[in-house]
Amino acid sequence: DAMVIQNPRYQVTQFGKPVTLSCSQTLNHNVMYWYQQKSSQAPKLLFHYYDKDFNNEADTPDNFQSRRPNTSFCFLDIRSPGLGDAAMYLCATRTGTGRADTQYFGPGTRLTVL
Amino acid sequence: GQQVMQIPQYQHVQEGEDFTTYCNSSTTLSNIQWYKQRPGGHPVFLIQLVKSGEVKKQKRLTFQFGEAKKNSSLHITATQTTDVGTYFCAGPPYSGGGADGLTFGKGTHLIIQP
Repeated sequence: DAMVIQNPRYQVTQFGKPVTLSCSQTLNHNVMYWYQQKSSQAPKLLFHYYDKDFNNEADTPDNFQSRRPNTSFCFLDIRSPGLGDAAMYLCATRTGTGRADTQYFGPGTRLTVL
Repeated sequence: GQQVMQIPQYQHVQEGEDFTTYCNSSTTLSNIQWYKQRPGGHPVFLIQLVKSGEVKKQKRLTFQFGEAKKNSSLHITATQTTDVGTYFCAGPPYSGGGADGLTFGKGTHLIIQP
C-alpha cells in the first residue's frame, strides 16, 4: 500500500503560471518535508512542517510556499514558476519523535516549465 | 551550514567488480542514511546507521559508519546490472531536533558495463 502519495506525477506549467503540487500520507507522521531535485543533483530541502509549525530553509526562494491543512496533506505552491524551477519535487514524511527515525519518500512530481 | 561530500561522482565498473562510495560530513551526524535512486525514480531508503563504528550488511552491500560519526561508506561486492543507479548518503545534524531534514551528498552514479 502506498504510504506517501504525490499527485500529479508529472506536471507541466507555463512560465509565471502558479502551480500547486500535492502530497498525502497514510502514516500519520508528524513531519512532512518538501525537497527539490534537479537533474543529476542531490535532493535539496526546501522546507518542512512539524505538525503545524512551518520551518523554511534559509535559501528557499520566496516563490515557494507551502500549506499543511491537516496531518495527512501538504501542498507546495510555486507562485511564479521560472525555467529554473523545472525539477523533481519530492515529498517525504517522518515520525519526528527522535533523531534516529527515517524518512519515507513519495514517488515525486516532475515539473516542467514551458 | 552542514555539508556532506560524497565521492566519486561517477563510477564505471565491469559487472562482477566491486564498488565503493564514500561519504564525509563537515559536522557530526546523529545518524547516516543511504538511499538508492534508479534513473527516473525517487530515492529509496536502503539503511540507517546510528552507532559509532557501526557496520551493517545487506546481502552484497556493506555499510560502515565512522567512529567519529562524520564519515560513512557503502561497498557492493560483485556488482550486478540491477545495482545501476545513484547512491546517496544523507544525514541530519547531530545537534538538531527530531524534525530536521536531511542533507544529501551529491551522490555516486554507478554505471555497470556488462
